[in-house]
Amino acid sequence: NAGVTQTPKFRVLKTGQSMTLLCAQDMNHEYMYWYRQDPGMGLRLIHYSVGEGTTAKGEVPDGYNVSRLKKQNFLLGLESAAPSQTSVYFCASSTTTGLAGTAGELFFGEGSRLTVL
Amino acid sequence: AQSVTQLGSHVSVSEGALVLLRCNYSSSVPPYLFWYVQYPNQGLQLLLKYTSAATLVKGINGFEAEFKKSETSFHLTKPSAHMSDAAEYFCAVSERNTDKLIFGTGTRLQVFP
Repeated sequence: NAGVTQTPKFRVLKTGQSMTLLCAQDMNHEYMYWYRQDPGMGLRLIHYSVGEGTTAKGEVPDGYNVSRLKKQNFLLGLESAAPSQTSVYFCASSTTTGLAGTAGELFFGEGSRLTVL
Repeated sequence: AQSVTQLGSHVSVSEGALVLLRCNYSSSVPPYLFWYVQYPNQGLQLLLKYTSAATLVKGINGFEAEFKKSETSFHLTKPSAHMSDAAEYFCAVSERNTDKLIFGTGTRLQVFP
């Protein structure tokens, strides 16, 4: 059972380049999230999706775009990478959230380490 | 807006000692609360969660946490630390009328022999 899979796991970019991180889950979860993790700042929510075809902004959305064309996939794009986007990116998925009146567990991928030079 | 504060970015204990990791939340109504653990080079995994069924919540690996509304706290404890508990621990909060989970800044636990 693969769970949540992120690709690539490592990437080095030059300033101004673009790239896409792919997240795939095989648990049929409705909700998917992209977080970034930086030392001393914990995990910060970039964008999230409550279902196929829908996306919403999180805490730190600037410089990123997302798409959820298929229920199992959630893509995170950087159109013009900046050194401030050097980070470890985590994708997560969940069956439910507080909005549904329950507290669902988030299942995380292993992370994608991005360095922007 | 909801938020969560973890006091102490690093905690060191000896093997066999009590583990206490602190978490305080800010929310207008009792939220859902979580503790996640992250081992090196891995994603996060759920330790335990509070959903109002009981104020003392037991999780995996001998950890437990107590929800105290009067103190707006959800501290994580374990009676006796093991070397394998060394990891980073994150407290997280989700309000009952939102679909977002907000994380604290994390506490790195070191366990010395």
